[in-house]
Amino acid sequence: AQSVTQLDSHVSVSEGTPVLLRCNYSSSYSPSLFWYVQHPNKGLQLLLKYTSAATLVKGINGFEAEFKKSETSFHLTKPSAHMSDAAEYFCVVSDLDRGGADGLTFGKGTHLIIQP
Amino acid sequence: DAGVTQSPTHLIKTRGQQVTLRCSPISGHKSVSWYQQVLGQGPQFIFQYYEKEERGRGNFPDRFSARQFPNYSSELNVNALLLGDSALYLCASSTPDAGFHEQFFGPGTRLTVL
Repeated sequence: AQSVTQLDSHVSVSEGTPVLLRCNYSSSYSPSLFWYVQHPNKGLQLLLKYTSAATLVKGINGFEAEFKKSETSFHLTKPSAHMSDAAEYFCVVSDLDRGGADGLTFGKGTHLIIQP
Repeated sequence: DAGVTQSPTHLIKTRGQQVTLRCSPISGHKSVSWYQQVLGQGPQFIFQYYEKEERGRGNFPDRFSARQFPNYSSELNVNALLLGDSALYLCASSTPDAGFHEQFFGPGTRLTVL
């Protein structure tokens, strides 16, 4: 079985400061990991993905995440927050060995607030 | 290129009624998945279809059913609606080239059950 725990339901940072959104995963097989972003009244947009290649993954809009197997973590970071980053962020896991038949498993989300 | 499209955008139903939601995948994508997103939660997997066959099913009651058509579009049906079925229903398309893992989401259908 696969699961994801997002460690913070809300994160508030000032514009121009670093962002850290934390995620731990559990997977019986080799995981594929993703971060998605959801802006209000908009669809889910893929930020970045890890699929057993490089452990440091770069995504869109300056975001990146590092896969740490020993810590079962996949934290999302950005060096400098922008007002447009305010949104809901979801950490997502999919078991590679199950061929995706179990669908994507989403965390409960982290609401990112950017203070001016 | 058009992304994943869903219809209708919004829907209001009463308890006990039945509803059908529709989804068209990205051109060339032969797999469609459905998710339910209750307010304040992450999406939950309902079904995945590939080449008109059900590939996977989440933990949802039999009131939920789906099908995929020869043109790879899909319908999600929910019978005997409950208040708790009020949610955003998301459709996502994917291909086996990426192992079905990378999924592209539509804007969703907002279902309200009164």
